[in-house]
Amino acid sequence: NAGVTQTPKFRVLKTGQSMTLLCAQDMNHEYMYWYRQDPGMGLRLIHYSVGEGTTAKGEVPDGYNVSRLKKQNFLLGLESAAPSQTSVYFCASSVPAVDETQYFGPGTRLLVL
Amino acid sequence: SQQGEEDPQALSIQEGENATMNCSYKTSINNLQWYRQNSGRGLVHLILIRSNEREKHSGRLRVTLDTSKKSSSLLITASRAADTASYFCAGGSNYKLTFGKGTLLTVNP
Repeated sequence: NAGVTQTPKFRVLKTGQSMTLLCAQDMNHEYMYWYRQDPGMGLRLIHYSVGEGTTAKGEVPDGYNVSRLKKQNFLLGLESAAPSQTSVYFCASSVPAVDETQYFGPGTRLLVL
Repeated sequence: SQQGEEDPQALSIQEGENATMNCSYKTSINNLQWYRQNSGRGLVHLILIRSNEREKHSGRLRVTLDTSKKSSSLLITASRAADTASYFCAGGSNYKLTFGKGTLLTVNP
């Protein structure tokens, strides 16, 4: 099992450009999450999904959109990138029926100029 | 808003010593989890303690939870250089986690 994978690993964007971050998990997990981590901070929840076709807002959703068309994939979109969105983005998944442990991907480092 | 606040922000010890990190949280939780993050990597789950538990052990890890004080502690015994990492507590509620800012642990050989 690859676990949770994220694509790309690193990206540089110019202000106003758009991009999509892809998260994939092969563990058949029901729940998936997108977080951002800024220097000296813990992770903050952007959006999450409790199942295929469902999404919900987290703590810091502004400027981001998400989609969960397939159970194994969770996409995070930035329609018009801003320098404030420079961060490291982490995806995670979990199986609440088992416990609330979350399994994290390796992260995507995004720099918006 | 951050759920937890870890204390200390940074901790430097010698190999073989014990390391204790504390976490305080603000709102009610179903569980309290601890994660480790090596530099430039994703988070790895260490241990979960439920709100009705007081103490839990896993290998060299010992976690306590005091819901009346809204606080938790993580003890790593007989530390190794490989334990060098950032450690985060996260309060779990409704299948979501709210993280603290982390403690950077450095274990010197």
